[in-house]
Amino acid sequence: GQQVMQIPQYQHVQEGEDFTTYCNSSTTLSNIQWYKQRPGGHPVFLIQLVKSGEVKKQKRLTFQFGEAKKNSSLHITATQTTDVGTYFCAGSGGSNYKLTFGKGTLLTVNP
Amino acid sequence: DARVTQTPRHKVTEMGQEVTMRCQPILGHNTVFWYRQTMMQGLELLAYFRNRAPLDDSGMPKDRFSAEMPDATLATLKIQPSEPRDSAVYFCASGLDNPGADTQYFGPGTRLTVL
Repeated sequence: GQQVMQIPQYQHVQEGEDFTTYCNSSTTLSNIQWYKQRPGGHPVFLIQLVKSGEVKKQKRLTFQFGEAKKNSSLHITATQTTDVGTYFCAGSGGSNYKLTFGKGTLLTVNP
Repeated sequence: DARVTQTPRHKVTEMGQEVTMRCQPILGHNTVFWYRQTMMQGLELLAYFRNRAPLDDSGMPKDRFSAEMPDATLATLKIQPSEPRDSAVYFCASGLDNPGADTQYFGPGTRLTVL
């Protein structure tokens, strides 16, 4: 079945430093979604990427979808303490409505 | 602001007891998903429905877990009998069956502790 690997598992940064998490799928994806889960909270949708090579930005967050539609990344510029949480990528095969989630990257930010 | 609701938010029970968790999807959404989250396994898909019909429950231990959608506004997940290894946060999520617009909206979760 489809597998989605995400690295690193944990990342601790000083406030102001950049952060990147990477996601790799064992199969070609229809689209990839990113979610953020704050400590004690639930996953919240951030963005969806559909096109090969697509790049989208949300303020300090930059999302990329690989040319082969099998990998993706999330980059945060100049982290803030509000960025703390676990970032999940989730791949969709497109035809069966379900998402396969990566294990997530837990980001902690030292003020 | 439409949201997925889940009840109860917390549940502590003893091994062997039945546990029922409920979810109200966002009105108009026709896909519903049940996930279990633990530190070790992360987010695991247990079961999901489209237009109230079960599509896949292969992630669910069949002997003790069951998931149903009695109507479009209610999804249930039951565990009988519960075991300590079932302790986890159970999330319900809903969405639309529209490839390219199949974002999932998660509820706040039910934190289950089985003693």
